[in-house]
Amino acid sequence: ETGVTQTPRHLVMGMTNKKSLKCEQHLGHNAMYWYKQSAKKPLELMFVYSLEERVENNSVPSRFSPECPNSSHLFLHLHTLQPEDSALYLCASSPNSRGPNTGELFFGEGSRLTVL
Amino acid sequence: RKEVEQDPGPFNVPEGATVAFNCTYSNSASQSFFWYRQDCRKEPKLLMSVYSSGNEDGRFTAQLNRASQYISLLIRDSKLSDSATYLCVVNILPTGANNLFFGTGTRLTVIP
Repeated sequence: ETGVTQTPRHLVMGMTNKKSLKCEQHLGHNAMYWYKQSAKKPLELMFVYSLEERVENNSVPSRFSPECPNSSHLFLHLHTLQPEDSALYLCASSPNSRGPNTGELFFGEGSRLTVL
Repeated sequence: RKEVEQDPGPFNVPEGATVAFNCTYSNSASQSFFWYRQDCRKEPKLLMSVYSSGNEDGRFTAQLNRASQYISLLIRDSKLSDSATYLCVVNILPTGANNLFFGTGTRLTVIP
């Protein structure tokens, strides 16, 4: 069983809908991440939170809005998405966002999003 | 130019075979290197770090060639359970998981 859980596992939404993806980590880590994985493309880092503070925002469109209420929970709020936003959205955590041994990320199983 | 490039495969090999994947990276200042494994419809998981001197974990051997800027993964005595996509990951700074760059992955299928 993964230490990082994501819900929902599958989501289908129209372009005018508003939905949220949820991530929870049970590992006591201080950093959490959102990645986007599209077919035949490398994982793209979207957002990084360290101790609930956003430390990275990789030029992600404003229709994606992250929220980190505490070090164990991370949300990705979605609104007015486009069909090209259909992808697997992976949440990950790590002990710290900066420091030694920061190559290991612990991923959730992902939320597969389809935008119609 | 992509930060990390991998042959997408697929590599189809019989059980017991030895298979090797290579990965090249573009930033000569890259500091640390990793191989992740991703099973079909599952999340990526760290397989092993890649050290300058090369390292081995059971049937898996990772090598780093800084001069040529490539990383390799060798799998000996392939098992059916090795079927997965193998992701090459490079960190361009000494620290910081937010500096990780992922390759698109190499797909391996081990055939009975």
